Amino acid sequence: GESVGLHLPTLSVQEGDNSIINCAYSNSASDYFIWYKQESGKGPQFIIDIRSNMDKRQGQRVTVLLNKTVKHLSLQIAATQPGDSAVYFCAENTGGFKTIFGAGTRLFVKA
Amino acid sequence: KAGVTQTPRYLIKTRGQQVTLSCSPISGHRSVSWYQQTPGQGLQFLFEYFSETQRNKGNFPGRFSGRQFSNSRSEMNVSTLELGDSALYLCASSSDTASSYNSPLHFGNGTRLTVT
Repeated sequence: GESVGLHLPTLSVQEGDNSIINCAYSNSASDYFIWYKQESGKGPQFIIDIRSNMDKRQGQRVTVLLNKTVKHLSLQIAATQPGDSAVYFCAENTGGFKTIFGAGTRLFVKA
Repeated sequence: KAGVTQTPRYLIKTRGQQVTLSCSPISGHRSVSWYQQTPGQGLQFLFEYFSETQRNKGNFPGRFSGRQFSNSRSEMNVSTLELGDSALYLCASSSDTASSYNSPLHFGNGTRLTVT
């Protein structure tokens, strides 16, 4: 069925380390992928996106990797900071005016 | 630009009642989507509107409905409330056009609905 799944529900990293959050998607027709960050009491916030004609995109301290062969998406956060503690969602657009979200991964940053 | 605004922030209703939630998108955004967020089900798509037309709808019962006005503001309505409708309802807007849907969503902070 329609789903964008995450491999790990929680991730704990030391401040200053790099974080990698993984995501598997199921719809091979999806052509646009997005990562969102949700902090407590707030709505999800856009972090970075990538289109299906790319396999890597970099932003400020974040990198998204897309592997269409195995339908896998990952978000890398460099030099993780306490402010990065949040729930991270991957999402996909299948072209039907609908964005499907994964279950989310909670990132804990230890000082 | 002001962000997506949702009102009210909190609502408490009893079973059987109905509720209307409001969303004002970012100025210039014509696409508005609604999601239900619960701990058990995550973010579930409700519907998407563009220029007052519903372009897609999620797998929710007919008690859930929505509409969009000519100024792109949107409302969603839930009738005959059930305990399981307790959730955070999120509205998002995007700069998508009539023929495209490939822009990120910009979310409001949601309306927390509690049904007792």
